[in-house]
Amino acid sequence: EVQLVESGGGLVQPGGSLRLSCAASGFTFSSYSMNWVRQAPGKGLEWVSYISSSGSTIFYADSVKGRFTISRDNAKNSLYLQMNSLRDEDTAVYYCAREPETPTQRGAFDFWGQGTMVTVSS
Amino acid sequence: QSVLTQPPSASGTPGQRVTISCSGSSSNIGNNYGYWYQQLPGTAPKLLVYRNNQRPSGVPDRFSGSKSGTSASLAISGLRSEDEADYYCAAWDDSLRGWVFGGGTKLTVL
Repeated sequence: EVQLVESGGGLVQPGGSLRLSCAASGFTFSSYSMNWVRQAPGKGLEWVSYISSSGSTIFYADSVKGRFTISRDNAKNSLYLQMNSLRDEDTAVYYCAREPETPTQRGAFDFWGQGTMVTVSS
Repeated sequence: QSVLTQPPSASGTPGQRVTISCSGSSSNIGNNYGYWYQQLPGTAPKLLVYRNNQRPSGVPDRFSGSKSGTSASLAISGLRSEDEADYYCAAWDDSLRGWVFGGGTKLTVL
């Protein structure tokens, strides 16, 4: 059974840091690209960052560029998001989402974790 | 303000067919595939349609996607109460070099 389990969320003050993790199981993690997507309370989805299966290609949304760092450890089947200089507007549920790299399915976020809540507040 | 524009709400009665639109531009939907996600209340999003009109296994054929120019559409036929959810379109944006989502459409089954 495919599972993505996020952790590391919590309450942090503005300007603070937090590291999110996404533990993957039930599939060959090293064969998939991964993404982070967030959803502010009562709002829509916002893509945050992408990392290819090997980690060689990375993209960020402009809203987090220079503050967030995505990484992965294929040996540990884990995805990470290091979040620095956090702002009030970063408050959201953060989801990790799997993206196949097969030619016919590339681009589809075909499986999502349940999310972890990050609250930035003083 | 989302890059992709969706109507904030849509509604229909059981058995009806409803369509949700998603308007973009030449840098996203116009030059790339459209995707649709369903988010039931209190749950994570679920892939509904990929590459404009492909359905993942397990998604009923009541759900269908299409694309024309810089717009994408999701049609739901034979509407059921369990279809009540938020629906989001998405596409890769060449100018932003990232994924963009629509603001979401809340579907109510009357």
